[in-house]
Amino acid sequence: SAVISQKPSRDICQRGTSLTIQCQVDSQVTMMFWYRQQPGQSLTLIATANQGSEATYESGFVIDKFPISRPNLTFSTLTVSNMSPEDSSIYLCSVLPGQGYYGYTFGSGTRLTVV
Amino acid sequence: KQEVTQIPAALSVPEGENLVLNCSFTDSAIYNLQWFRQDPGKGLTSLLLIQSSQREQTSGRLNASLDKSSGRSTLYIAASQPGDSATYLCAVSPSLSNTGKLIFGQGTTLQVKP
Repeated sequence: SAVISQKPSRDICQRGTSLTIQCQVDSQVTMMFWYRQQPGQSLTLIATANQGSEATYESGFVIDKFPISRPNLTFSTLTVSNMSPEDSSIYLCSVLPGQGYYGYTFGSGTRLTVV
Repeated sequence: KQEVTQIPAALSVPEGENLVLNCSFTDSAIYNLQWFRQDPGKGLTSLLLIQSSQREQTSGRLNASLDKSSGRSTLYIAASQPGDSATYLCAVSPSLSNTGKLIFGQGTTLQVKP
């Protein structure tokens, strides 16, 4: 299965600033996803990162707040913009390699604290 | 709308005990079901993947079963160890073409006491 490198692993940011999270995969994958896990909660899908086109956002998430780039089949970034304490969460990227035989693979996550 | 529920929310057992974690889902039209492990503040590690046509999967001391018609899956952990302490998440792929998102349960937090 694919190996994902996600950076940074954690950060503490001031409110009103932005943070860009990177996700690098060791092989080309068709589908990449970004999830959010708020404290004490399970994972919620933010968006599907589409290569060469705009990301597809889930209900409740908007491009202005969470802009996503996917310039090629191995790399994606998620930016958390104009942060507030409510954005404090773990953000994870996920991929579905190949035909999905091995299921979804997740990065190690970015633990974001907004102060 | 697909919903995934995990019971119990938390579990504490002595080392060596066999245990079962439960996962239920409301819509049986799933592509597959995946069990993950999450250590505190960390990402997810995939444990087992069960395709919708399969009944169970095994890996070491772990065995996961799937009863799609009743909307249930169980994760059986044999001879539990303190290193098994973590949160266990089940997730279903609700799309029949496996191009959709994963729907997660709330997780079961397991503590194995030495």
